[in-house]
Amino acid sequence: DGGITQSPKYLFRKEGQNVTLSCEQNLNHDAMYWYRQDPGQGLRLIYYSQIVNDFQKGDIAEGYSVSREKKESFPLTVTSAQKNPTAFYLCASSRGRTRDNEQFFGPGTRLTVL
Amino acid sequence: AQSVTQLDSHVSVSEGTPVLLRCNYSSSYSPSLFWYVQHPNKGLQLLLKYTSAATLVKGINGFEAEFKKSETSFHLTKPSAHMSDAAEYFCVHNTDKLIFGTGTRLQVFP
Repeated sequence: DGGITQSPKYLFRKEGQNVTLSCEQNLNHDAMYWYRQDPGQGLRLIYYSQIVNDFQKGDIAEGYSVSREKKESFPLTVTSAQKNPTAFYLCASSRGRTRDNEQFFGPGTRLTVL
Repeated sequence: AQSVTQLDSHVSVSEGTPVLLRCNYSSSYSPSLFWYVQHPNKGLQLLLKYTSAATLVKGINGFEAEFKKSETSFHLTKPSAHMSDAAEYFCVHNTDKLIFGTGTRLQVFP
């Protein structure tokens, strides 16, 4: 089955800890994205990558970091600098960043800071 | 700046009745528009997309949307709601990045 997997599904973190969220895709897509979703809001873009070893900040990158060492993997690290990290995190991928390319989404990771 | 406005945060319908979820976008010379659906604690699934071909776009699960340039609208409709349609729906405008509306929660009553 082709698709996007995210792990873990639920994640609990103590304040001051860094955590890494996994995102893997086997769709052979070039572009990958990380979004944050809060209740009553649309998705907000954290980071995106159009090609291996390259990535750009989105609208709310502060307190987050990413890497893109392999085409199929785009992990997101939520650092202790992120002031309000409790949220639902969604990873997505697309063939490219042109306007007609829809994004395919993973099932999400719900992060809770205790 | 480009934007998307979903006019209703909540819509409630009875099973078997029509569904209308409204979306307006800020003017663009040639918009690329999508509707996504999200069930609770799940990722988003593409329902349909408009990319300057036919103005009436058919999607999955009986949904369709009509692009009206004069009204800058892209409303989502379904003739007969099913219980399984209860979810959150997002209208999305694709420029050089996806711009999401704030979502419409659809409730379907038996």
